[in-house]
Amino acid sequence: DGGITQSPKYLFRKEGQNVTLSCEQNLNHDAMYWYRQDPGQGLRLIYYSQIVNDFQKGDIAEGYSVSREKKESFPLTVTSAQKNPTAFYLCASSIFIWQAYGYTFGSGTRLTVV
Amino acid sequence: GQQVMQIPQYQHVQEGEDFTTYCNSSTTLSNIQWYKQRPGGHPVFLIQLVKSGEVKKQKRLTFQFGEAKKNSSLHITATQTTDVGTYFCAGWVGDGGSQGNLIFGKGTKLSVKP
Repeated sequence: DGGITQSPKYLFRKEGQNVTLSCEQNLNHDAMYWYRQDPGQGLRLIYYSQIVNDFQKGDIAEGYSVSREKKESFPLTVTSAQKNPTAFYLCASSIFIWQAYGYTFGSGTRLTVV
Repeated sequence: GQQVMQIPQYQHVQEGEDFTTYCNSSTTLSNIQWYKQRPGGHPVFLIQLVKSGEVKKQKRLTFQFGEAKKNSSLHITATQTTDVGTYFCAGWVGDGGSQGNLIFGKGTKLSVKP
């Protein structure tokens, strides 16, 4: 079955530590996205990528970094510069960038700073 | 910045009652998408509306896109406990091409009392 796999499901980070969240899709989608979800908030866009080796900052990119070396993979690194990283992180993909097609979301990673 | 406002934030209903959530944008939307997120889960794409005044139905769910393409609604008839979750709208603000932005509302959390 095609879909998006995010790992790990739960992640605990110490202060000052960088952590990387994995996102892999086998849907052959061109576009991939990272969103952050906080309680009572909507989805806020961190980064997005239209094609391999290209990505753009979203609304809240500070303290985060990404790479897109393969079409299937779009890992997100939460750096120590992100002051409030505790949140639910969602990876998504769509056939092409943005509109006209619904997004497929992964099951998410819950990151907690300890 | 551009926002998609969604109301109400919470809705508690008795099983069998109807439920409606509304989305409003200050700018004209190219299209609007609706997603459902079950408790502890990830958003799942429900539907997309593109045309002014468009109405689509999925069993007990009715989706509408306003004539001015600035508002939308999701109506659930005779709610069931399986309808529990948070419903998000997401509006595409752009020129109809590849440039633009998909903006998520903050969601309406629906709880259903058996």
